[in-house]
Amino acid sequence: NAGVTQTPKFQVLKTGQSMTLQCAQDMNHEYMSWYRQDPGMGLRLIHYSVGAGITDQGEVPNGYNVSRSTTEDFPLRLLSAAPSQTSVYFCASSSQLGVPNYGYTFGSGTRLTVV
Amino acid sequence: KNEVEQSPQNLTAQEGEFITINCSYSVGISALHWLQQHPGGGIVSLFMLSSGKKKHGRLIATINIQEKHSSLHITASHPRDSAVYICAVLRGGSEKLVFGKGTKLTVNP
Repeated sequence: NAGVTQTPKFQVLKTGQSMTLQCAQDMNHEYMSWYRQDPGMGLRLIHYSVGAGITDQGEVPNGYNVSRSTTEDFPLRLLSAAPSQTSVYFCASSSQLGVPNYGYTFGSGTRLTVV
Repeated sequence: KNEVEQSPQNLTAQEGEFITINCSYSVGISALHWLQQHPGGGIVSLFMLSSGKKKHGRLIATINIQEKHSSLHITASHPRDSAVYICAVLRGGSEKLVFGKGTKLTVNP
């Protein structure tokens, strides 16, 4: 099992450019989510999905779009990159929320710098 | 005030010491997670708790729902335990995780 695969690992964008961070899981997990991690802030939820065709906003959704056309894939789109979006991004999946013994599997992260 | 508070922010220990990291939260939850973030950045799920206590090797996690408090203990600490430990809660009736800011643990040989 590959688990959760995030690409790319590193990316530098110019202000105003758009890009898509890819996230794929091969565990048939219903729940997928995107987080950003900034120094001193901890992880913050951007968007999440509880199944194919269903997405919802998290704590910091502005400037990001998501879609969930398949169970496996949950891409995160930056529409017009801004320096404030410089961060480390993590994708995570889980099979059942709030159920004991069902934890989260995290991707390895994408370090994004917007100049 | 953050919904999830961890203490201490930083912790330095000598190899072999017993470690305790605390997490307090202010909202009703359906579950609490302990995560470990390695120096290289990868995040691993350690425990998911909704009540009581769980043990895995040298790691023990406890939760007191009435007091809205959880602890992560590491027995016989080792330098390879050096990492950031993150507490996260799943709000009751929600699919959203809320995270603490993490506790950076350094275990010296």
